[in-house]
Amino acid sequence: AQTVTQSQPEMSVQEAETVTLSCTYDTSENNYYLFWYKQPPSRQMILVIRQEAYKQQNATENRFSVNFQKAAKSFSLKISDSQLGDTAMYFCAFSTFSGAGSYQLTFGKGTKLSVIP
Amino acid sequence: DTAVSQTPKYLVTQMGNDKSIKCEQNLGHDTMYWYKQDSKKFLKIMFSYNNKELIINETVPNRFSPKSPDKAHLNLHINSLELGDSAVYFCASSQGSNYGYTFGSGTRLTVV
Repeated sequence: AQTVTQSQPEMSVQEAETVTLSCTYDTSENNYYLFWYKQPPSRQMILVIRQEAYKQQNATENRFSVNFQKAAKSFSLKISDSQLGDTAMYFCAFSTFSGAGSYQLTFGKGTKLSVIP
Repeated sequence: DTAVSQTPKYLVTQMGNDKSIKCEQNLGHDTMYWYKQDSKKFLKIMFSYNNKELIINETVPNRFSPKSPDKAHLNLHINSLELGDSAVYFCASSQGSNYGYTFGSGTRLTVV
């Protein structure tokens, strides 16, 4: 079974600073996808960034980037120039094929990030 | 135009009642899902449907029954509601594994 571990239940960062959220996972598969989702107080689940396991290049989306270490099964999220709107729960997720076009996302327990003015 | 819409957004009901949550997606995705987020924010899959066919059926009580009349709709019916059913229920859809899920805004169910 796939597991996703986020070891930091809560973190805080000063506005405009950089913060890194950790995620490790366990799988025996070779091809898979990894995601970071953001859940602000509004409750909406928002896709932040995704990484394809067979690509060595780390994904980047504006201020968000990942450090993907496949051998170590590590997938950390770096947020640069933190903004107040980045305050949210962040979930790391791992995608596995479940049959007939269905892909199961397994989530970590989340990291609550607070951006301090 | 909302991509994945759930109704209602909030639902407060008494123990023992039966309730339904509706979900519709206009993205043309083939697969839809129900996830439960508990009070500690943990997200766990309940069901998935691909083009009206049940694919994933995790260990949930038989009181929960999903229904998919077509690939754009996936409803969740819950019988004999219990206090422990209080949670946020998310509907989502996907097309392949590359892009993850598109989530609805969630339904906060409170059983009193």
